[in-house]
Amino acid sequence: QLQLQESGPGLVKPSETLALTCTVSGGSISGSYYYWGWIRLSPGKGLEWIGSVYYSGTTYYNPFLKSRLTISVDTSKNQFSLRLTSVTSADTAVYYCVRPQNNYDNTGNSGFAYWGQGALVTVSS
Amino acid sequence: QSALTQPPSASGSPGQSVTISCTGTNSDVGFYRLVSWYQRHPDKAPKLIIYEVTKRPSGVPDRFSGSKSGNTAYLTVSGLQAEDDADYYCSSYADSHVIFGGGTKVTVL
Repeated sequence: QLQLQESGPGLVKPSETLALTCTVSGGSISGSYYYWGWIRLSPGKGLEWIGSVYYSGTTYYNPFLKSRLTISVDTSKNQFSLRLTSVTSADTAVYYCVRPQNNYDNTGNSGFAYWGQGALVTVSS
Repeated sequence: QSALTQPPSASGSPGQSVTISCTGTNSDVGFYRLVSWYQRHPDKAPKLIIYEVTKRPSGVPDRFSGSKSGNTAYLTVSGLQAEDDADYYCSSYADSHVIFGGGTKVTVL
């Protein structure tokens, strides 16, 4: 059974960098032909797709976040990570790591079948 | 970014049906048959219940059905049960990324 688990600080100061890691168990990131991604749920804003990464390191980003965003992968640890710079209160959200239903799906247009439990990140001084 | 438009709430009694709309544009919902629906219970991760407008993942009851007309997609929950009380979100592919609706709170009366 594939499982995803987010980890990282729950509190980040404004203008600093938000960093989260997703650890995958029950399956391998490398050679699985799936993209691995991040979605966030903000109070009053609903869900927002952040971006995705392939085991090779190829990335796809939400164009509205692209300038502040880096998603990377560490296949040796079966993990992928999110870095979002210059955060503001608008970045306060529950951050989920996700995997689409279909392989080669870089944006989740086939639907996100696997989700982590979510990590609440609050941006506040 | 433009989100898809969903009604904030909907309700129905047990056994009844409820239909939720998800309105986009001819650049997303209207152009692609790549609409998904998710169910989310409080403090839980969303669960995929419909993909590619009408398809159900394995294990999702056939009480859940999806459709689309023009720029609007619909999720219908038939034979409402207490466990259907949850938030529902739609999503659509839109020119290199996926966008979501703001969510609809379904209350089972």
